[in-house]
Amino acid sequence: EDQVTQSPEALRLQEGESSSLNCSYTVSGLRGLFWYRQDPGKGPEFLFTLYSAGEEKEKERLKATLTKKESFLHITAPKPEDSATYLCAVRGYQGGKLIFGQGTELSVKP
Amino acid sequence: EAQVTQNPRYLITVTGKKLTVTCSQNMNHEYMSWYRQDPGLGLRQIYYSMNVEVTDKGDVPEGYKVSRKEKRNFPLILESPSPNQTSLYFCASSPPDLINEQFFGPGTRLTVL
Repeated sequence: EDQVTQSPEALRLQEGESSSLNCSYTVSGLRGLFWYRQDPGKGPEFLFTLYSAGEEKEKERLKATLTKKESFLHITAPKPEDSATYLCAVRGYQGGKLIFGQGTELSVKP
Repeated sequence: EAQVTQNPRYLITVTGKKLTVTCSQNMNHEYMSWYRQDPGLGLRQIYYSMNVEVTDKGDVPEGYKVSRKEKRNFPLILESPSPNQTSLYFCASSPPDLINEQFFGPGTRLTVL
């Protein structure tokens, strides 16, 4: 059964304190792992797609990496505006079906 | 402006009273999908549609129906809502080759009493 697990559930950081969010997955025939950001009261917004182990993507203070079993979202020198819930999801061999993790709620204090 | 719209944004109803949540996108996307979001459970896919007249079940389709008669619209139908369908619902769309990069609507908060 395809499954995505994110940890930690919540993470509190001080501004400038770098850290990582984890996404562990099991999926038949990975056709992409992706990260979304969700602000309170809004729909998720796309951040990255990773397709194969060893791949990395960067956007401002965020860097996503992928191995055969997990993905990390590294946050370097975070700012309060990075506070949000970060969602990880995978797409398997069933083309249109997506499996999301429970999310990590990130809070960055000034 | 490229967007996905959902109506209504908030709805309180009673058990058994049929309802429809509409979803419309103006980006000419082939792929559309419905999700529900519950605390501790994350986003779970209800149904998706790869194109007009093509729909398929996600992880939690029980109690829901969908139809895709036009490319821009993908309504979610609850024939007989129950309290366990109280949730935050999101509609999303994308081009078929970019299913990972979905545009999400603003959400519909549904309460079933």
